[in-house]
Amino acid sequence: AQTVTQSQPEMSVQEAETVTLSCTYDTSENNYYLFWYKQPPSRQMILVIRQEAYKQQNATENRFSVNFQKAAKSFSLKISDSQLGDTAMYFCAFMKLPIIQGAQKLVFGQGTRLTINP
Amino acid sequence: GAVVSQHPSRVICKSGTSVKIECRSLDFQATTMFWYRQFPKQSLMLMATSNEGSKATYEQGVEKDKFLINHASLTLSTLTVTSAHPEDSSFYICSAVLTGGDGYTFGSGTRLTVV
Repeated sequence: AQTVTQSQPEMSVQEAETVTLSCTYDTSENNYYLFWYKQPPSRQMILVIRQEAYKQQNATENRFSVNFQKAAKSFSLKISDSQLGDTAMYFCAFMKLPIIQGAQKLVFGQGTRLTINP
Repeated sequence: GAVVSQHPSRVICKSGTSVKIECRSLDFQATTMFWYRQFPKQSLMLMATSNEGSKATYEQGVEKDKFLINHASLTLSTLTVTSAHPEDSSFYICSAVLTGGDGYTFGSGTRLTVV
């Protein structure tokens, strides 16, 4: 079974600073996706970024980027120029492939509560 | 983008009554939907997987007779909490699988309070 571990329950940084959230996972699968989801106070889950395991290039989305280390099974999220709106709970998640109906479970980490201070 | 509409957003019910939560996929067909439960300051716990036209698959430890899931169409899945008790109070979230490996799209959640 797959497991996802986020070892930082809470983090806090000043606005405009850069922050990195860590995530490690354990799997025997070779093909999978990794995701970072954001859950703001509204509790709506929002996809931040995704990474396909077969791609060596790290995914980036504007101020968000990942450091994907497949051999180390590490998937950290870097937020640059942090903004007050980035304050949220962040979840790392794993989904194995291939996609078969009913088999695409998302396995979540415990979450990291990130606070951006003005 | 693909949207899942979840209703109600909040519900308060008395102990012993049943509550139905609906999730509808808008502008796309969701053959598979997932139901999660989230306690305060905790992660999402998968309760069950619902597939259109077939019985739901429940995770270990989830009472299938208490949490009834129906996925009668490609756009609607429902979760009914039967004979609710205060310990069933929680935040429930549904999600649908997107094609192309985009992961999930999530409903906005339902806060259930049983008094």
